[in-house]
Amino acid sequence: GAGVSQSPSNKVTEKGKDVELRCDPISGHTALYWYRQSLGQGLEFLIYFQGNSAPDKSGLPSDRFSAERTGGSVSTLTIQRTQQEDSAVYLCASRDMNTEAFFGQGTRLTVV
Amino acid sequence: AQKVTQAQTEISVVEKEDVTLDCVYETRDTTYYLFWYKQPPSGELVFLIRRNSFDEQNEISGRYSWNFQKSTSSFNFTITASQVVDSAVYFCALSEPLTGGGNKLTFGTGTQLKVEL
Repeated sequence: GAGVSQSPSNKVTEKGKDVELRCDPISGHTALYWYRQSLGQGLEFLIYFQGNSAPDKSGLPSDRFSAERTGGSVSTLTIQRTQQEDSAVYLCASRDMNTEAFFGQGTRLTVV
Repeated sequence: AQKVTQAQTEISVVEKEDVTLDCVYETRDTTYYLFWYKQPPSGELVFLIRRNSFDEQNEISGRYSWNFQKSTSSFNFTITASQVVDSAVYFCALSEPLTGGGNKLTFGTGTQLKVEL
């Protein structure tokens, strides 16, 4: 596609359930990022992929959070045993060496 | 650690007024990039500008202009003759190198701009 695509756009889940958020980056972009945007914390970096490897996972808030990327393309962010404080908008971005980061529209996660 | 401060939480202006959004940053890097992004109600972050730390020339793009002052660690954004469509949250960001190459963006808390008729 022309831009970064994220799905679902909205997700409501019960506390304790696992969720998977998907990101389709711009074709050819080797770098992929996940950010979280919440009211109290602003925009926080979660994880960075270069190709399929994640050299920097420093922003993942707990071991309930994990992410993978396959084929140098699609990425999935998984949150296990969701908690109410996980409620936020999860944003994905991609870039190549010579461009700025392009962001998707995000997935709004609500944990009830 | 890197830090970006946008002291203005919310600004309201009347259409056609000029408005300046402030951004102050902290970094120990000698080479860095500064960015401005716009986030309309749809939620997507829209890139506006990237500025290299070695280039202190001000930039103008239509009604938008940016003032980069290294001496005061500021990168302010001015919208001239504001329009209702400019209403959005604006984020200033600073690049920070990551392990394994690449970089991440450290964002300010954003400024909500409301332009009214």
